[in-house]
Amino acid sequence: RKEVEQDPGPFNVPEGATVAFNCTYSNSASQSFFWYRQDCRKEPKLLMSVYSSGNEDGRFTAQLNRASQYISLLIRDSKLSDSATYLCVVNVNAGNNRKLIWGLGTSLAVNP
Amino acid sequence: DVKVTQSSRYLVKRTGEKVFLECVQDMDHENMFWYRQDPGLGLRLIYFSYDVKMKEKGDIPEGYSVSREKKERFSLILESASTNQTSMYLCASSSGIHEQYFGPGTRLTVT
Repeated sequence: RKEVEQDPGPFNVPEGATVAFNCTYSNSASQSFFWYRQDCRKEPKLLMSVYSSGNEDGRFTAQLNRASQYISLLIRDSKLSDSATYLCVVNVNAGNNRKLIWGLGTSLAVNP
Repeated sequence: DVKVTQSSRYLVKRTGEKVFLECVQDMDHENMFWYRQDPGLGLRLIYFSYDVKMKEKGDIPEGYSVSREKKERFSLILESASTNQTSMYLCASSSGIHEQYFGPGTRLTVT
Protein backbone atom coordinates (compact mmCIF):
# COMPACT_ATOMS: atom_id res chain seq x y z
CA ARG A 1 0.00 0.00 0.00
CA LYS A 2 1.32 3.44 -0.90
CA GLU A 3 2.02 5.80 1.98
CA VAL A 4 -0.22 8.49 0.52
CA GLU A 5 -2.94 7.65 -1.98
CA GLN A 6 -5.12 9.86 -4.11
CA ASP A 7 -7.64 9.15 -6.82
CA PRO A 8 -5.87 10.47 -9.92
CA GLY A 9 -9.14 11.49 -11.61
CA PRO A 10 -9.64 13.36 -13.80
CA PHE A 11 -12.63 14.94 -12.15
CA ASN A 12 -14.62 16.81 -14.78
CA VAL A 13 -17.15 19.18 -13.26
CA PRO A 14 -19.21 22.12 -14.56
CA GLU A 15 -18.62 25.63 -13.30
CA GLY A 16 -20.41 26.24 -10.05
CA ALA A 17 -20.30 22.61 -8.94
CA THR A 18 -19.07 21.37 -5.61
CA VAL A 19 -16.32 18.77 -5.78
CA ALA A 20 -14.48 16.84 -3.09
CA PHE A 21 -11.23 14.90 -3.08
CA ASN A 22 -9.95 12.47 -0.51
CA CYS A 23 -6.43 11.44 0.33
CA THR A 24 -5.59 8.44 2.50
CA TYR A 25 -2.35 7.96 4.39
CA SER A 26 -0.95 4.81 5.95
CA ASN A 27 1.41 6.06 8.66
CA SER A 28 -0.40 6.75 11.92
CA ALA A 29 2.61 8.83 13.05
CA SER A 30 1.71 11.46 10.47
CA GLN A 31 1.85 14.86 12.10
CA SER A 32 0.72 17.49 9.67
CA PHE A 33 -1.07 17.63 6.36
CA PHE A 34 -1.25 19.95 3.40
CA TRP A 35 -2.94 20.46 0.08
CA TYR A 36 -0.85 21.89 -2.73
CA ARG A 37 -2.07 22.99 -6.14
CA GLN A 38 -0.08 22.47 -9.32
CA ASP A 39 -1.08 24.06 -12.60
CA CYS A 40 -0.03 22.45 -15.84
CA ARG A 41 3.72 22.87 -16.41
CA LYS A 42 4.08 24.96 -13.25
CA GLU A 43 5.52 24.35 -9.82
CA PRO A 44 3.39 23.21 -6.86
CA LYS A 45 2.10 25.94 -4.53
CA LEU A 46 0.61 25.59 -1.09
CA LEU A 47 -3.18 25.79 -1.16
CA MET A 48 -3.83 25.20 2.51
CA SER A 49 -2.67 23.39 5.59
CA VAL A 50 -5.08 20.93 7.16
CA TYR A 51 -5.78 21.30 10.87
CA SER A 52 -7.32 18.77 13.22
CA SER A 53 -10.41 20.89 13.67
CA GLY A 54 -10.83 21.42 9.94
CA ASN A 55 -10.31 24.72 8.25
CA GLU A 56 -11.86 26.86 5.58
CA ASP A 57 -10.44 29.42 3.21
CA GLY A 58 -13.09 31.01 1.05
CA ARG A 59 -14.52 28.32 -1.23
CA PHE A 60 -12.06 25.71 0.01
CA THR A 61 -12.56 23.49 3.06
CA ALA A 62 -10.05 20.96 4.35
CA GLN A 63 -10.85 18.22 6.85
CA LEU A 64 -8.75 15.67 8.70
CA ASN A 65 -10.05 12.31 9.90
CA ARG A 66 -7.33 10.73 12.01
CA ALA A 67 -9.39 7.67 12.93
CA SER A 68 -9.81 6.69 9.28
CA GLN A 69 -6.50 8.24 8.24
CA TYR A 70 -7.63 10.49 5.46
CA ILE A 71 -7.83 14.16 4.62
CA SER A 72 -10.28 15.80 2.29
CA LEU A 73 -10.56 18.94 0.21
CA LEU A 74 -13.91 20.42 -0.72
CA ILE A 75 -14.22 23.08 -3.38
CA ARG A 76 -17.51 24.94 -3.59
CA ASP A 77 -18.76 27.01 -6.53
CA SER A 78 -15.99 25.74 -8.81
CA LYS A 79 -14.34 28.25 -11.15
CA LEU A 80 -12.59 27.59 -14.43
CA SER A 81 -9.39 28.75 -12.73
CA ASP A 82 -9.65 25.89 -10.23
CA SER A 83 -8.61 23.49 -12.99
CA ALA A 84 -5.32 22.03 -11.77
CA THR A 85 -3.79 19.02 -10.05
CA TYR A 86 -4.27 18.90 -6.29
CA LEU A 87 -1.47 17.25 -4.34
CA CYS A 88 -1.91 15.82 -0.88
CA VAL A 89 1.17 16.04 1.34
CA VAL A 90 1.73 14.35 4.67
CA ASN A 91 4.48 15.15 7.18
CA VAL A 92 5.65 12.10 9.06
CA ASN A 93 7.56 12.88 12.23
CA ALA A 94 8.99 9.68 13.68
CA GLY A 95 11.82 10.02 16.17
CA ASN A 96 14.67 11.91 14.53
CA ASN A 97 13.19 11.54 11.10
CA ARG A 98 11.02 14.16 9.43
CA LYS A 99 9.71 13.48 6.01
CA LEU A 100 7.20 14.98 3.61
CA ILE A 101 5.38 12.35 1.58
CA TRP A 102 3.66 13.53 -1.57
CA GLY A 103 0.63 11.98 -3.21
CA LEU A 104 0.52 11.67 -6.98
CA GLY A 105 -2.25 14.21 -7.24
CA THR A 106 -5.87 14.46 -8.32
CA SER A 107 -6.60 16.19 -11.59
CA LEU A 108 -9.56 18.58 -11.72
CA ALA A 109 -11.02 20.06 -14.88
CA VAL A 110 -13.76 22.66 -14.45
CA ASN A 111 -15.75 23.08 -17.64
CA PRO A 112 -17.80 26.07 -18.83
CA ASP B 1 7.33 37.31 -1.61
CA VAL B 2 9.55 34.27 -1.35
CA LYS B 3 11.49 33.72 -4.49
CA VAL B 4 13.20 30.52 -5.54
CA THR B 5 15.04 30.67 -8.81
CA GLN B 6 16.57 27.91 -10.87
CA SER B 7 19.38 28.45 -13.33
CA SER B 8 17.65 27.09 -16.42
CA ARG B 9 14.08 26.36 -17.48
CA TYR B 10 15.12 23.96 -20.21
CA LEU B 11 18.35 22.04 -20.61
CA VAL B 12 19.49 19.47 -23.16
CA LYS B 13 22.58 17.40 -22.38
CA ARG B 14 24.28 14.38 -23.83
CA THR B 15 24.72 11.05 -22.10
CA GLY B 16 27.84 11.07 -19.94
CA GLU B 17 28.01 14.84 -19.50
CA LYS B 18 28.31 16.38 -16.07
CA VAL B 19 25.29 18.55 -15.34
CA PHE B 20 24.91 21.30 -12.76
CA LEU B 21 21.49 22.57 -11.70
CA GLU B 22 21.56 25.66 -9.52
CA CYS B 23 18.91 26.85 -7.11
CA VAL B 24 18.86 30.12 -5.18
CA GLN B 25 16.36 31.31 -2.58
CA ASP B 26 16.10 34.80 -1.12
CA MET B 27 14.21 34.21 2.14
CA ASP B 28 17.01 32.97 4.38
CA HIS B 29 15.38 29.53 4.62
CA GLU B 30 17.46 26.89 6.33
CA ASN B 31 15.94 23.98 4.41
CA MET B 32 16.40 23.29 0.74
CA PHE B 33 15.28 20.34 -1.37
CA TRP B 34 15.75 18.83 -4.79
CA TYR B 35 12.93 16.78 -6.34
CA ARG B 36 12.31 15.23 -9.68
CA GLN B 37 8.80 14.89 -11.07
CA ASP B 38 7.81 12.30 -13.62
CA PRO B 39 4.37 11.36 -14.99
CA GLY B 40 2.81 8.61 -12.93
CA LEU B 41 5.55 8.77 -10.30
CA GLY B 42 4.88 12.17 -8.78
CA LEU B 43 7.38 14.20 -6.81
CA ARG B 44 10.34 12.20 -5.56
CA LEU B 45 12.91 13.61 -3.19
CA ILE B 46 16.51 13.35 -4.36
CA TYR B 47 18.46 15.21 -1.67
CA PHE B 48 17.78 17.80 0.96
CA SER B 49 19.77 20.07 3.23
CA TYR B 50 18.94 21.52 6.64
CA ASP B 51 21.98 23.73 6.88
CA VAL B 52 25.01 24.98 5.05
CA LYS B 53 27.42 22.17 4.12
CA MET B 54 24.89 19.65 5.35
CA LYS B 55 23.11 17.19 3.07
CA GLU B 56 20.91 14.16 3.45
CA LYS B 57 19.82 11.57 0.94
CA GLY B 58 16.23 11.50 -0.09
CA ASP B 59 14.39 8.60 -1.69
CA ILE B 60 16.30 8.43 -4.99
CA PRO B 61 19.85 9.81 -4.53
CA GLU B 62 21.59 7.38 -6.88
CA GLY B 63 23.34 9.13 -9.73
CA TYR B 64 23.13 12.55 -8.05
CA SER B 65 25.14 14.62 -5.64
CA VAL B 66 24.54 18.04 -4.09
CA SER B 67 26.44 20.98 -2.75
CA ARG B 68 25.43 23.67 -0.29
CA GLU B 69 28.29 26.07 0.31
CA LYS B 70 26.06 29.06 1.05
CA LYS B 71 22.72 29.19 2.79
CA GLU B 72 20.88 30.62 -0.20
CA ARG B 73 22.26 28.24 -2.83
CA PHE B 74 21.72 24.50 -3.32
CA SER B 75 23.21 22.78 -6.33
CA LEU B 76 22.29 19.43 -7.84
CA ILE B 77 24.98 17.61 -9.79
CA LEU B 78 24.54 14.77 -12.22
CA GLU B 79 28.05 13.32 -12.41
CA SER B 80 27.42 11.42 -15.64
CA ALA B 81 24.02 12.11 -17.12
CA SER B 82 21.98 9.19 -18.36
CA THR B 83 18.77 9.07 -20.39
CA ASN B 84 16.78 7.86 -17.38
CA GLN B 85 17.57 11.18 -15.71
CA THR B 86 15.45 13.02 -18.26
CA SER B 87 12.88 14.68 -16.03
CA MET B 88 11.51 17.86 -14.50
CA TYR B 89 13.73 18.96 -11.61
CA LEU B 90 12.20 21.11 -8.91
CA CYS B 91 14.03 22.91 -6.16
CA ALA B 92 12.23 24.00 -2.99
CA SER B 93 13.03 25.83 0.22
CA SER B 94 11.29 26.07 3.55
CA SER B 95 11.60 27.33 7.07
CA GLY B 96 10.75 24.35 9.21
CA ILE B 97 8.93 21.36 7.79
CA HIS B 98 5.88 23.28 6.72
CA GLU B 99 5.24 25.22 3.55
CA GLN B 100 7.72 24.54 0.78
CA TYR B 101 8.30 27.19 -1.84
CA PHE B 102 9.23 25.83 -5.24
CA GLY B 103 11.24 27.21 -8.08
CA PRO B 104 9.83 27.14 -11.62
CA GLY B 105 11.60 23.88 -12.44
CA THR B 106 14.22 22.78 -14.95
CA ARG B 107 13.13 20.43 -17.68
CA LEU B 108 16.22 18.34 -18.41
CA THR B 109 16.49 16.17 -21.48
CA VAL B 110 19.41 13.77 -21.76
CA THR B 111 19.98 12.42 -25.26
